[in-house]
Amino acid sequence: QKEVEQDPGPLSVPEGAIVSLNCTYSNSAFQYFMWYRQYSRKGPELLMYTYSSGNKEDGRFTAQVDKSSKYISLFIRDSQPSDSATYLCAMSTNSGYSTLTFGKGTMLLVSP
Amino acid sequence: DVKVTQSSRYLVKRTGEKVFLECVQDMDHENMFWYRQDPGLGLRLIYFSYDVKMKEKGDIPEGYSVSREKKERFSLILESASTNQTSMYLCASMFPGTSGRSINTGELFFGEGSRLTVL
Repeated sequence: QKEVEQDPGPLSVPEGAIVSLNCTYSNSAFQYFMWYRQYSRKGPELLMYTYSSGNKEDGRFTAQVDKSSKYISLFIRDSQPSDSATYLCAMSTNSGYSTLTFGKGTMLLVSP
Repeated sequence: DVKVTQSSRYLVKRTGEKVFLECVQDMDHENMFWYRQDPGLGLRLIYFSYDVKMKEKGDIPEGYSVSREKKERFSLILESASTNQTSMYLCASMFPGTSGRSINTGELFFGEGSRLTVL
C-alpha cells in the first residue's frame, strides 16, 4: 500500500460547482497536512496548511482532516476556470527529521 | 515574497554530459530540496540540505549529487546525464527556517522548475 493515495483525475466540472478533492494515507504518525496547487508549467504553491485534525477555511477553500479515517479533503466552492490546476496533497510527521510525503496530484478542469 | 529562482527553465543535453541545475532562494531559509516530477510518478525527493555544506539523500539519489556552499544556493549535479533523467526538476526551500535537523513543519516554497531533456 502506498503511503499517500490520490486519484489522478482529471476531474472535470462546470464553473460554479463544488469540488471535492481527497487523499488517503496509511501512516498514522502524519501530523501536518497541506494542499499545494500547481498550474501548468509552474512549480507547486502552498494553498492550505492544517495541523492535526479539523477544518480550516480560507475564502472559497476548505481543508478537512479526519485522522481517525486517515483521510483529508479539499473543498472548493463556486469553482472558477482559474482553479484549473493540479492539486497535490502533502503530509509530514512530527518526529524530529522528516520530509514531506506527496500524493501524485489530481488534475482539475473547470469549464466556463 | 519568498522567491526561489532556478537558473534554467529549459535545457537540452546529450547523454554523458555533466549537468548543473542551480537554485537560489532569497529568504535565508536553512532547508532546501531538489525534487523531480514525472507523469504518473508525482514528486520524488532527490536530495535535501538543512544547512550549508550538509546534504541528505532523498528517495532517489542515484545518479545525482548536490552542492551547498552558501546558504542561499543549492545545486543539483548530474555527473553523466542519461535519458531516464529527462524530467522536470523542482527546487524548494522551507519556511520557517529552522536550526539543526528538525525540518518537519512542511511549508515548502518551490521554484518554477527546470525541464531537462537528455537526448
